Amino acid sequence: KAGVTQTPRYLIKTRGQQVTLSCSPISGHRSVSWYQQTPGQGLQFLFEYFSETQRNKGNFPGRFSGRQFSNSRSEMNVSTLELGDSALYLCASSLAYNTEAFFGQGTRLTVV
Amino acid sequence: QQQVKQSPQSLIVQKGGISIINCAYENTAFDYFPWYQQFPGKGPALLIAIRPDVSEKKEGRFTISFNKSAKQFSLHIMDSQPGDSATYFCAGNKVGNMLTFGGGTRLMVKP
Repeated sequence: KAGVTQTPRYLIKTRGQQVTLSCSPISGHRSVSWYQQTPGQGLQFLFEYFSETQRNKGNFPGRFSGRQFSNSRSEMNVSTLELGDSALYLCASSLAYNTEAFFGQGTRLTVV
Repeated sequence: QQQVKQSPQSLIVQKGGISIINCAYENTAFDYFPWYQQFPGKGPALLIAIRPDVSEKKEGRFTISFNKSAKQFSLHIMDSQPGDSATYFCAGNKVGNMLTFGGGTRLMVKP
């Protein structure tokens, strides 16, 4: 069974631009969560989608948004990029409510 | 507000020794406590997890001990190997699939 796939693996963007990251969950999994990992703040929850609906949202500004499609694939978007948005963005998929989360390899975003 | 406190930040253990990582949580709404292992350049990999109605869970060389009244849980790695050298994260899961992570422990196992 294929794992969680995130694309692209690496991105370099300029301050002020926007970026879209993609996540394909494990086949059959309906929940997708997004996390930001930085050396200073650690792993922080961004948001979670289940059956195309955002169920939970972390403490991030509105520049961070996401969506989930009918095939459970998810995208997250960051607009008006800031230098502090440089991080590893991780996607996790879960089968259903309150079940184990499996992470992808992440997308390394660098904002210059 | 850090809802999951993890210690130590770093740990050096000799090959064959026992590695112990501790976590304490504040949020009683957590209903599931996983541990993740992360190697450089990789995403976190689920290692072992426990629910609060169980006091201990063992899978191979990895054991979680859970103390609900103290709101603490720990990971024990028996017979630690150099290949176990990685960063370990504890977490609490709340309301669906929303993980709150500890700050991480960098483990080095010396041969």
